[in-house]
Amino acid sequence: VQLVQSGAEVKTSGASVKISCVASGFYFISYHLHWVRQAPGQGLEWMGVMNPNGGSTGHAQKFQDRLTMTRDTSTRTFYMELNSLTSADTAVYYCARVLGTPDSPPRFWGQGTLVTVSP
Amino acid sequence: QSALAQPPSASGSPGQSVTISCTGTRSDVGGYNSVSWYQQHPGKAPKLIIFDVNKRPSGVPDRFAGSKSDNTASLTVSGLQAEDEADYYCSSYADGNNYNFVFGTGTKVTVL
Repeated sequence: VQLVQSGAEVKTSGASVKISCVASGFYFISYHLHWVRQAPGQGLEWMGVMNPNGGSTGHAQKFQDRLTMTRDTSTRTFYMELNSLTSADTAVYYCARVLGTPDSPPRFWGQGTLVTVSP
Repeated sequence: QSALAQPPSASGSPGQSVTISCTGTRSDVGGYNSVSWYQQHPGKAPKLIIFDVNKRPSGVPDRFAGSKSDNTASLTVSGLQAEDEADYYCSSYADGNNYNFVFGTGTKVTVL
């Protein structure tokens, strides 16, 4: 199982960022995919989850209006887009595949993508 | 959804044991047998070490053990080793629309 994320991004306040997560080594549509972020020196923060079989999503209420999760089954790629960025969104963003069943925890993680938002 | 409460730090000498608590509510820890624990070394992605309260993924040594009582889960690391020095996070499935998941505030474990 491997998840390879896109490279670091630098954005200005008010902009959007879209991060990709390319999956390999498993049957793409069989496993839910989470997005988790970690601000510098801070803890882990759950953002949302996608069921690649159909594309349904669930997300933390905090990101309800700004977060869009999508996938492209033809390229085995997940995407996470966050809008209306502020400096508080500066963080490392991770994609992570569940252990097994849909309600199982994230087990396989991408390498992380640093997003820096300047004022 | 509020983060699960963990002590900021814990420590122990090599060979000793350390226990970390994770306190939630009936809407998360107390309501589901889906507590997990992660180990994170600086600059690295988190690593799943416990799932479903007390199960270990393959490759995780049995020095790591999880438990739960009511709204509080615990992680015990026995026979502390230098490489166990890391940040530890609990997590749980939680009540909410469609799907909801929450992490703990994190605990820094220091091996003295």
